[in-house]
Amino acid sequence: ENVLTQSPGTLSLSPGDRATLSCRASQSVIDSNLAWYQHKPGQAPRLLIHGASSRATGIPDRFSGSGSGTDFTLTIGRLESEDFAVYYCQQADGSTWTFGQGTKVEIK
Amino acid sequence: EVQLVESEGGLVPPGGSLRLSCAASGFRFSGYNMNWVRQAPGKGLEWLSQIAPTGDAILYAASVKGRFTVSRDNAKNSLFLQMNSLTAEDTAVYYCARDSSRASADYWGQGTLVTVSS
Repeated sequence: ENVLTQSPGTLSLSPGDRATLSCRASQSVIDSNLAWYQHKPGQAPRLLIHGASSRATGIPDRFSGSGSGTDFTLTIGRLESEDFAVYYCQQADGSTWTFGQGTKVEIK
Repeated sequence: EVQLVESEGGLVPPGGSLRLSCAASGFRFSGYNMNWVRQAPGKGLEWLSQIAPTGDAILYAASVKGRFTVSRDNAKNSLFLQMNSLTAEDTAVYYCARDSSRASADYWGQGTLVTVSS
């Protein structure tokens, strides 16, 4: 199983700050099949990024993804109030999907 | 508009069984892989299972393989998850999610809470 480790666990930032979230895989992610989701309490998760760097439909351009192999990054250019949430990375290897444990982005 | 609506979960005794369903609308259900994902209280997301459009290819997480069975009825635009031998560790909010065809899930239901307790 390809284990995903996200860091940091919590990121305390202010609106307007830049957020950088990391996701490290225990094995190389096949075909850069790495996605990022935003999840707020009581809501369904929201797909932000697929294929490591492609924004999903309707996602603002302040969200960007990068990386390949085992190291991936989600960057939020300038945090807006609605961006404070938990973020998960997820990989698919043809036989299983796995999620990271999440990074909480909280208001400082 | 794409919509996924899970059936009501509920309280199940340890060792019990429950069948969840997910009603899909707003897209050609028979053309997509579908997934089940759960979130235990205070924990992160956990992928459980994926089923191909015709049901001929099915994947399971190790944690549920042999206990959970995924199925679908394309004529009724419905996805199912049969859960057997439930334990307290299966207590979670269960989501159905559409596979975007890009190794990710682009639409999710609102989730349904399953509580396993005596």
